[in-house]
Amino acid sequence: NAGVMQNPRHLVRRRGQEARLRCSPMKGHSHVYWYRQLPEEGLKFMVYLQKENIIDESGMPKERFSAEFPKEGPSILRIQQVVRGDSAAYFCASSTELGNNEQFFGPGTRLTVL
Amino acid sequence: QKEVEQNSGPLSVPEGAIASLNCTYSDRGSQSFFWYRQYSGKSPELIMFIYSNGDKEDGRFTAQLNKASQYVSLLIRDSQPSDSATYLCAVRAPGGYNKLIFGAGTRLAVHP
Repeated sequence: NAGVMQNPRHLVRRRGQEARLRCSPMKGHSHVYWYRQLPEEGLKFMVYLQKENIIDESGMPKERFSAEFPKEGPSILRIQQVVRGDSAAYFCASSTELGNNEQFFGPGTRLTVL
Repeated sequence: QKEVEQNSGPLSVPEGAIASLNCTYSDRGSQSFFWYRQYSGKSPELIMFIYSNGDKEDGRFTAQLNKASQYVSLLIRDSQPSDSATYLCAVRAPGGYNKLIFGAGTRLAVHP
């Protein structure tokens, strides 16, 4: 009974490096969402994807951030040239395409930029 | 005005009491509302969702929705120390989008 899986759980990068965060949705779920939680702040929507399509990227920073959900394999959130302000918890959620879109969250990836 | 507002707390209640958590939202077109619980250092866990005006009960939890007042609440009966967490109110963005808009959360502390 696998839930949403994310890896790595913790990621340390130096300024200027790239960070790749992976998310596998729950079995039977075809919709993936990425959210960011800065220290002591609420969750902020970043991007919503279905297989091979970005549906809504209204919350993504204009530069350095990209996301994909290929036909095979996990969804990837990629942050290029990380800066200290990117340090946060990044959560992935998934849902089915049916019903009222209840979203279930993975354990998150905690990114620390040194 | 924030899209989803919650009192940050902490809300402190004695064990066995009723905890009442409140949330207001700004977009009158919102249709779907969710309550998540988040323990420190952990991920959000979905505990309740509500779409229709009125009350919805699930065990010790009751969600209440008043669309006319743009107000959602969560009641926790017989509060336990294990209920101590941050409770996040989330509203599904209207207009066919699936993204959730979260409040900043209310910290609940249940003391023995």
